[in-house]
Amino acid sequence: SQQGEEDPQALSIQEGENATMNCSYKTSINNLQWYRQNSGRGLVHLILIRSNEREKHSGRLRVTLDTSKKSSSLLITASRAADTASYFCATRAVYNQGGKLIFGQGTELSVKP
Amino acid sequence: NAGVTQTPKFQVLKTGQSMTLQCAQDMNHEYMSWYRQDPGMGLRLIHYSVGAGITDQGEVPNGYNVSRSTTEDFPLRLLSAAPSQTSVYFCASSYNDGQGGYTFGSGTRLTVV
Repeated sequence: SQQGEEDPQALSIQEGENATMNCSYKTSINNLQWYRQNSGRGLVHLILIRSNEREKHSGRLRVTLDTSKKSSSLLITASRAADTASYFCATRAVYNQGGKLIFGQGTELSVKP
Repeated sequence: NAGVTQTPKFQVLKTGQSMTLQCAQDMNHEYMSWYRQDPGMGLRLIHYSVGAGITDQGEVPNGYNVSRSTTEDFPLRLLSAAPSQTSVYFCASSYNDGQGGYTFGSGTRLTVV
């Protein structure tokens, strides 16, 4: 079964609005990562947050991590039409020896101009 | 740097045929993985490798083989193609267990008829 589950499955907003996507996972993690996928393309790494971190920023992206609730959120501020894509969270579990990154099902974001 | 290169980009196979999906990276990454992406299922891990000569199974390994004889290459073999293996396949690599995120190839779209 997949480690990460995203919510909502789809999100439609207007340009300039903020977009928030949530990810829940099941087991203890070493880190959690967020990726973007444009239609028909491979995934692009956006940001990584370690289990001992609670919040991280990168440009217009803000990621939070709550290990007690086993959840993370990705906030995209002042969204642009170019942010239209699918967004995936992925987790690296503590118990495995490495190399095993498990993805959620993704949130499809549509930003209307 | 070319990054992660996957070949072919498209392939149609008949049921029962075998083939190898190629993946090569020129970033000296130790960690490499294969994923399949199906509508509504997100990305599912097939096999992964933490270095030359070391491979392990992911979430959906049945029907697939891998080997890692060099750091650069990580081919995925379909032993006897089935329609259920129709999917988009992504190869990804990382320098240090995903601490900096994975770099993805552009994918191979496989159809089994």
